[in-house]
Amino acid sequence: AQSVTQPDIHITVSEGASLELRCNYSYGATPYLFWYVQSPGQGLQLLLKYFSGDTLVQGIKGFEAEFKRSQSSFNLRKPSVHWCDAAEYFCAVTDGNTGTASKLTFGTGTRLQVTL
Amino acid sequence: DTAVSQTPKYLVTQMGNDKSIKCEQNLGHDTMYWYKQDSKKFLKIMFSYNNKELIINETVPNRFSPKSPDKAHLNLHINSLELGDSAVYFCASSRGDRPHEQYFGPGTRLTVT
Repeated sequence: AQSVTQPDIHITVSEGASLELRCNYSYGATPYLFWYVQSPGQGLQLLLKYFSGDTLVQGIKGFEAEFKRSQSSFNLRKPSVHWCDAAEYFCAVTDGNTGTASKLTFGTGTRLQVTL
Repeated sequence: DTAVSQTPKYLVTQMGNDKSIKCEQNLGHDTMYWYKQDSKKFLKIMFSYNNKELIINETVPNRFSPKSPDKAHLNLHINSLELGDSAVYFCASSRGDRPHEQYFGPGTRLTVT
C-alpha cells in the first residue's frame, strides 16, 4: 500500500529565508505526487504536482518540488518565504490508474510558521 | 463563483443525532469525493462518486451514507453520531479524465458533544 511520510511536524523560518519541506513516499511503481497547502480555516489548495517528465516541477506562489526516485522523495522548496506562507503543507501520493476516481494518500502535514 | 462549496461550515451536535453535510461544485467535474481530517490533521478518503455512481468506498462505518443527486452535488449523511465522528470533512471534485487533480472545498468542522 502506498504511504507518505512528512518527517517534520513543525518548521519555523524567518521571512525571506529559504524553505524546504520534506516528503518521502512508499509506492511500488511510479507515483503521482502532490503538494497541497491548507491555510487556517481553509480548504486544501493544490500547489504543484508531478506525474512524469522533468523531475523539477514548478507550482504556484513561487514553490517548486523535486522528485528523486532514488531517495523516494518529493521535497517542496521556496527560495524566499513570505509571512503569508504560514500554513499547513501536505504531501500526497496516488497511483497512475486510469479510472475516473483517484485515492489521494496524504502525509500528516508540516506546519510552517514564519517569523518576521 | 466558489468552485467547491460546502454547507454548513460548522456543525455542532449531540451524540445520537443524524446530520447531513452538503457539497456542490460548479467546475463541471464528473467525480466528487469525501475526505475526513481527524484531530491530528490526518486526511483520509471516505467515498468517491463519478456521475452519481459510487466508485470508491473505503472502510467507513455504515452510519455514513453518501448521496449524489446529480454530478454537481455529493452529500454526506451521518446517522447516530458518535464522539469519534468529530472531524473536518472535506469535499473535493475532479474531472473524470483527470482524477488526480482534485479541488477541495473549505471543509465542514463537525463537533459531536
